[in-house]
Amino acid sequence: GESVGLHLPTLSVQEGDNSIINCAYSNSASDYFIWYKQESGKGPQFIIDIRSNMDKRQGQRVTVLLNKTVKHLSLQIAATQPGDSAVYFCAENGDYGGSQGNLIFGKGTKLSVKP
Amino acid sequence: DTGVSQDPRHKITKRGQNVTFRCDPISEHNRLYWYRQTLGQGPEFLTYFQNEAQLEKSRLLSDRFSAERPKGSFSTLEIQRTEQGDSAMYLCASTRTENTEAFFGQGTRLTVV
Repeated sequence: GESVGLHLPTLSVQEGDNSIINCAYSNSASDYFIWYKQESGKGPQFIIDIRSNMDKRQGQRVTVLLNKTVKHLSLQIAATQPGDSAVYFCAENGDYGGSQGNLIFGKGTKLSVKP
Repeated sequence: DTGVSQDPRHKITKRGQNVTFRCDPISEHNRLYWYRQTLGQGPEFLTYFQNEAQLEKSRLLSDRFSAERPKGSFSTLEIQRTEQGDSAMYLCASTRTENTEAFFGQGTRLTVV
């Protein structure tokens, strides 16, 4: 079946260091991926997305890498700040009923930034 | 605020009661999604609408759950005869089209006692 998961449930980094959050997916038919940030008590906040015809996309302080060969997605955060502390989810467009209408989320990685 | 809004933010109800939540998507967004999230887990897909048409429903959506989007704008999610296992955060999201970024609301936290 299809699933999206994360290699590490928690990640602790020093302020100013770079962070890398990983995600594995199993549905080779997925062609759209998103990273979300979720702070306690709030809804997920869009960070960056990537389509399967790309292997890298950059935003402000964030980069998403997609390796379709091994079905791996990563989120890199440069110069991590205390405000980056949150749970990060990767999501893929799901092939639910053949319409790929929904997003399937992984379990999340909790990022803690030490000052 | 032009983001996705959900109401109420918190709801405490007794087991067996019915509850209804509302979601107002971003105005030009055609697609509207409902998700459920329990502590320590990622959001789980429940159902989604393309305009007023409900196109997909998850197996998680039991007969006690019903969702509507009558005019293709706001949506409601009703849970009948609530059970303690229904306690969760219910999230709504909207997108302009398929495979574009989904924007989430702040969620409605349901506690069934």
